[in-house]
Amino acid sequence: KAGVTQTPRYLIKTRGQQVTLSCSPISGHRSVSWYQQTPGQGLQFLFEYFSETQRNKGNFPGRFSGRQFSNSRSEMNVSTLELGDSALYLCASSLTEDTEAFFGQGTRLTVV
Amino acid sequence: DAKTTQPTSMDCAEGRAANLPCNHSTISGNEYVYWYRQIHSQGPQYIIHGLKNNETNEMASLIITEDRKSSTLILPHATLRDTAVYYCIVMGRDDKIIFGKGTRLHILP
Repeated sequence: KAGVTQTPRYLIKTRGQQVTLSCSPISGHRSVSWYQQTPGQGLQFLFEYFSETQRNKGNFPGRFSGRQFSNSRSEMNVSTLELGDSALYLCASSLTEDTEAFFGQGTRLTVV
Repeated sequence: DAKTTQPTSMDCAEGRAANLPCNHSTISGNEYVYWYRQIHSQGPQYIIHGLKNNETNEMASLIITEDRKSSTLILPHATLRDTAVYYCIVMGRDDKIIFGKGTRLHILP
C-alpha cells in the first residue's frame, strides 16, 4: 500500500510569494494533519482536517491555510512568504481522528 | 505544550537493548502513550502505542508503569539504523499530536 505522498519534495521561493504544498494520504485514510519542522522550534502542529473539515488548528498566523478535498487529498498554502517560513513541512494521515498517524517525507521549503 | 519529559540524548551499543524512558505524570485516564521516531531528513515514523498494558510489535516493546506516569520504549537489539530522535507523545481521542524535544539515540558500533 502506497504511503503518504507529498509534493514537491523541494521548493525555493522568494519573500512575498505564496506557495501551495500537496499531500496525498494513504488510501482509505480520512484524517490529514500538517506540521512545520525547523531546527529552532522542532515539530509544530499546523492544522488537521477530517472529511474536508478543519478540526484543529495550531498557533500559526493566518498566512498559513489549508483545505482537504473529497478524496482526502490536502493542500496547505502559505501566503506572503517570510524568511522564517523556511522549514520542512510534513503531512501525516490516519484512518480516523484517533488512530496512529503515518508521515510523508515532507516538502523542504526554502524562502530566499 | 508537550505533556512528556524525555532525556535529551542517550547512547546504546549496537546489538544491545535500547531502553528509552519517558515521564508523563499528568496523563489522564483516556490518554494513550505513542512513540514515534525520526531518522535524519525523513518524516516521523510510528513505532508503537499503548494505553495501560504492555505492548509489543515487530519494532519494539512498550512498558507502561502501573500508575501510567511513565513508560519505557525498548528496542531489543539496536542496530546502527536505529539512530534517530525518539518522541514520546501522550494523546487522547481527537487530540492533535504535540511533539516535544524527543531523545536523540546514538547507536555506537
